[in-house]
Amino acid sequence: DSGVTQTPKHLITATGQRVTLRCSPRSGDLSVYWYQQSLDQGLQFLIQYYNGEERAKGNILERFSAQQFPDLHSELNLSSLELGDSALYFCASSVRDKETQYFGPGTRLLVL
Amino acid sequence: KNEVEQSPQNLTAQEGEFITINCSYSVGISALHWLQQHPGGGIVSLFMLSSGKKKHGRLIATINIQEKHSSLHITASHPRDSAVYICAASKEGNKLVFGAGTILRVKS
Repeated sequence: DSGVTQTPKHLITATGQRVTLRCSPRSGDLSVYWYQQSLDQGLQFLIQYYNGEERAKGNILERFSAQQFPDLHSELNLSSLELGDSALYFCASSVRDKETQYFGPGTRLLVL
Repeated sequence: KNEVEQSPQNLTAQEGEFITINCSYSVGISALHWLQQHPGGGIVSLFMLSSGKKKHGRLIATINIQEKHSSLHITASHPRDSAVYICAASKEGNKLVFGAGTILRVKS
């Protein structure tokens, strides 16, 4: 158990819908990272927040957005969902920037 | 060409064998990560290194910055080591760029 929690574990929804994935980092960790893992693209970095502010951005679609709240939990919002958004979404956290990342168990999203 | 290349893609070993997984990267990095992903999907960070060598139990990771190459070694492999091993390069400080992974199966 890494200490990082993600909810929900599984999510099934329809095309065009919007979903919110939630991540609670390890106690004391200031940095939260979001990743997408799909069968065709593998693991990809989406976005990083550090102490409430966006720190780095990767291959995140405009339909996706994220934020980190004052209590340091983070949410990833996915809208206008397409079949290709079906994937495992991981969040990870670290104490500070550029340190070992601890991964949550992931949220498995299926878009039908 | 991917920025991070791993080899082999698949590896089958007998219990007790010494295993090596290789990772080459073509970008400037601040650190190289080795991750393990279990069949259930969970990801565990094994090592983060920017130079030299690190050891944890039966696992050893090395990096050669000049050659842009890293290796993960498993000594005395065991069936419970069966997993996907992924290397990832920290690029521009915080962005991880991932290799495609090596699927390892250790037979008893």
